[in-house]
Amino acid sequence: ETGVTQTPRHLVMGMTNKKSLKCEQHLGHNAMYWYKQSAKKPLELMFVYSLEERVENNSVPSRFSPECPNSSHLFLHLHTLQPEDSALYLCASSQEGTGSEAFFGQGTRLTVV
Amino acid sequence: AQSVAQPEDQVNVAEGNPLTVKCTYSVSGNPYLFWYVQYPNRGLQFLLKYITGDNLVKGSYGFEAEFNKSQTSFHLKKPSALVSDSALYFCAVRGGDDKIIFGKGTRLHILP
Repeated sequence: ETGVTQTPRHLVMGMTNKKSLKCEQHLGHNAMYWYKQSAKKPLELMFVYSLEERVENNSVPSRFSPECPNSSHLFLHLHTLQPEDSALYLCASSQEGTGSEAFFGQGTRLTVV
Repeated sequence: AQSVAQPEDQVNVAEGNPLTVKCTYSVSGNPYLFWYVQYPNRGLQFLLKYITGDNLVKGSYGFEAEFNKSQTSFHLKKPSALVSDSALYFCAVRGGDDKIIFGKGTRLHILP
C-alpha cells in the first residue's frame, strides 16, 4: 500500500452515464494529480491540484470534471464519455516544494461501452 | 520546457544477465530524478530517486541508477535480472517548476 487509495478499481459505464472516481491520500501531501494511461500511449497528466487549487488542466475535454474538496480527497466526475476514454486512470499525490516523489494509487480501470 | 526520453520501447534480457534501461532528461535548474515500475493493471510503484549527492543511487529490489550530469542521463541498472523484474518502467523528472514529467515507459522482458 502506498497511502493513496482509489475507488472503484474497475468501472464499466455506458456513454450516457454519470459516474465519479474517488482518490484519497493519507500522506499529508499538498498536491494531487490525475493521470490517464491508455494502451500504447504515454502517461498523460490530466489535472494537478496544489493546495486544493487547480493549477494545471492539460486540455482535457469538459466531460471530465475534477473536484478537490480538501487536501486529502480528489474526485474525477465523468459524464457522456466516449469509448476512446476507456483507460486506466491513476491518482497520485506528492509534497510539492521538496523534490519528493509522487505516490500512486492502484488505478481505476474504466471501460466505456 | 522539461522533458524525459526513454529511447527504448522494449528491452529483452536473459535471466541472470545485467540489465540497463535508459533515460535522458532536459530540465531547467537542478533535476530531481525518479524511476518507477508498473505491473499489469496496477499503479506506478516508486523504485528510487536522485536528489543530490552520490551519483549512484540504490533502490528497491536490487535496482540502482547512475546520474550523469554531463550526459543528462539517469539509466536504471541491475546486476542480475530476475524473471519477476519483467514490467513497465518509467523514468520521471521534477524540475524548477516543480512539475513531475514522465517518460513514455520501457517494457522490460526477462527471458528465462
